[in-house]
Amino acid sequence: EDKVVQSPLSLVVHEGDTVTLNCSYEVTNFRSLLWYKQEKKAPTFLFMLTSSGIEKKSGRLSSILDKKELSSILNITATQTGDSAIYLCAGGRNQFYFGTGTSLTVIP
Amino acid sequence: DTEVTQTPKHLVMGMTNKKSLKCEQHMGHRAMYWYKQKAKKPPELMFVYSYEKLSINESVPSRFSPECPNSSLLNLHLHALQPEDSALYLCASSQDRRRGGEKLFFGSGTQLSVL
Repeated sequence: EDKVVQSPLSLVVHEGDTVTLNCSYEVTNFRSLLWYKQEKKAPTFLFMLTSSGIEKKSGRLSSILDKKELSSILNITATQTGDSAIYLCAGGRNQFYFGTGTSLTVIP
Repeated sequence: DTEVTQTPKHLVMGMTNKKSLKCEQHMGHRAMYWYKQKAKKPPELMFVYSYEKLSINESVPSRFSPECPNSSLLNLHLHALQPEDSALYLCASSQDRRRGGEKLFFGSGTQLSVL
């Protein structure tokens, strides 16, 4: 059975901290891993990873895929209150399986 | 235009009502999806349309009926729903599902409450 597992389930940090969110996947038909940020409604796209070992960066956020370990991490440096959200990862090829998400709360 | 537009944003319906959720995209994407998301849970795939043909139905009850009138529009027809069907219904699109691995663009969802 295909599944995607995220950890931790929730995280509370102070502004300025660095956080690492984890995603592991067991998906038989895998091509890409996607990261999304969900604040209220629509998940907003962060990264798509297809190649192992190549880091993708966008401002304070970065992510990398490890195909050998079937996992990915999302790093957020110098966290801000606006980073508070649920972070979802999804793995797949023609259909994507979502993890349960990590709820991040950044306290001022 | 990089948006997926869903209407209505909120919907309250009784168990005997018939209603429809609508989704529209003008990015030229050829795959469109319906996801259901309960509170504090991940999105769960319901249906996938690829090139206007239904390609995946994840064992969804027949009270949910999808329709793809053209490549830009996706509807979800609702009839005789149950209170446990209350959830956020998300529409998504991607460029070409046949190539695989394309990123999903999500709409802001319809928050559905069934009384």
